[in-house]
Amino acid sequence: GENVEQHPSTLSVQEGDSAVIKCTYSDSASNYFPWYKQELGKRPQLIIDIRSNVGEKKDQRIAVTLNKTAKHFSLHITETQPEDSAVYFCAAWVPGGFKTIFGAGTRLFVKA
Amino acid sequence: DADVTQTPRNRITKTGKRIMLECSQTKGHDRMYWYRQDPGLGLRLIYYSFDVKDINKGEISDGYSVSRQAQAKFSLSLESAIPNQTALYFCATSGFAGGDTQYFGPGTRLTVL
Repeated sequence: GENVEQHPSTLSVQEGDSAVIKCTYSDSASNYFPWYKQELGKRPQLIIDIRSNVGEKKDQRIAVTLNKTAKHFSLHITETQPEDSAVYFCAAWVPGGFKTIFGAGTRLFVKA
Repeated sequence: DADVTQTPRNRITKTGKRIMLECSQTKGHDRMYWYRQDPGLGLRLIYYSFDVKDINKGEISDGYSVSRQAQAKFSLSLESAIPNQTALYFCATSGFAGGDTQYFGPGTRLTVL
C-alpha cells in the first residue's frame, strides 16, 4: 500500500546549525508534498509545501526539495533557532485514494 | 475566525464504554478527516469524508465508526473502547480536491483504562 518513510526519527542540532529531514514515498502518482510542524501540545500546522511541477521551494529559513525520479523529498532548515524545536511531519497526497499519507515524524531539538 | 474545533479535549473512560468524539468546522470545507497520533507512528488516517453522503475507511478503521451529520460536523465513535485505543485524536479539514493543506483541530486526548 501507500507509504511515506521519514528519517531521522530524532534530530538534535546546535542553534545556528542546519537541519535536514528526509522522506521517501511509494506512490509514483503522488503530486503534492506538504510539511507540518507540531509544537508540544499543539496541533500540526503547515509550514511549507511543494507540488510535483517544481523541484525546490524556499520560504525564509526553510526550503523543500523534491526528486520525483527517486521519490525523495527533503526539508531543510537553516540557522536553526530554539523555537524550531518541534515534531515535523512530511506527507504525500495519494491521488488514487484522495488522501494524504503522513510520515512517522521527526522530533527536532535545537540546543541554545 | 474560521477554525476547526473538537470536543471533548480530554477524556478518560473504561474498557467497553462507548465514546463519541466530535468535530466542527467553520472553514466551509467539504473534506473532513479523523486521524490518530501515537508516539513514533505519526498521524494515521481512521476515516475521511468528502461530503455528507460520502464516508471512506482509512488505514486503521477497525473498532471505529463515523457520522457526517452536516458539512460542518464529523463525529468519531468508539463502540466499545479498549486500552490500545488510548491515543491523541485529531480532526482535520481540507478544501481542494487535488491535494491541499489540511487544517487540524486542537486534538482530543483519550485514555481507555
